[in-house]
Amino acid sequence: ETGVTQSPTHLIKTRGQQVTLRCSSQSGHNTVSWYQQALGQGPQFIFQYYREEENGRGNFPPRFSGLQFPNYSSELNVNALELDDSALYLCASSSSWNSGANVLTFGAGSRLTVL
Amino acid sequence: DQQVKQNSPSLSVQEGRISILNCDYTNSMFDYFLWYKKYPAEGPTFLISISSIKDKNEDGRFTVFLNKSAKHLSLHIVPSQPGDSAVYFCAASAAQKLVFGQGTRLTINP
Repeated sequence: ETGVTQSPTHLIKTRGQQVTLRCSSQSGHNTVSWYQQALGQGPQFIFQYYREEENGRGNFPPRFSGLQFPNYSSELNVNALELDDSALYLCASSSSWNSGANVLTFGAGSRLTVL
Repeated sequence: DQQVKQNSPSLSVQEGRISILNCDYTNSMFDYFLWYKKYPAEGPTFLISISSIKDKNEDGRFTVFLNKSAKHLSLHIVPSQPGDSAVYFCAASAAQKLVFGQGTRLTINP
């Protein structure tokens, strides 16, 4: 089975620009979550998508938005980039049919640098 | 408000000995706790989990202990191997999300 793949792996933007990050979920998974990992910190929950709708959101402003497509792939969009948005963005997929622990399968991430 | 804390940024252990990584939490509503391992340039990889109604879960060399009264959990790795060198994240499950600690960098010395 294929794992979670993210693109691009690295990118550099300037303040005020917009960025779109992409994620393909693991086969058999129907739920996608996005996390932001700042340097030296643990991943922080941005939001989750299930059935193409946002299904929970962390403490991030509205300029962070997302999409989930019918094939369960997803996009994270960030508008009006700020310097503090520089981080590793992790996509994770999971299955809503699994009971028990909320085990997420993570991609390798997209490292965003905002100058 | 840091609900999950890993107070040791780094830990160095000799190969073959026991590694103990610690994690504290503040929210009694967490239903599961998980440990993830992360190598450079890779995403976090799930290691082991424990339900909040259990106090121990074991999987091979890895054992997680949960002390609910102290709101503390720990991951024991016995025996430690060089391939265990990585950053370890403690995470707590709440509704749709995982709340992560800051991570502990474990280095296994030969």
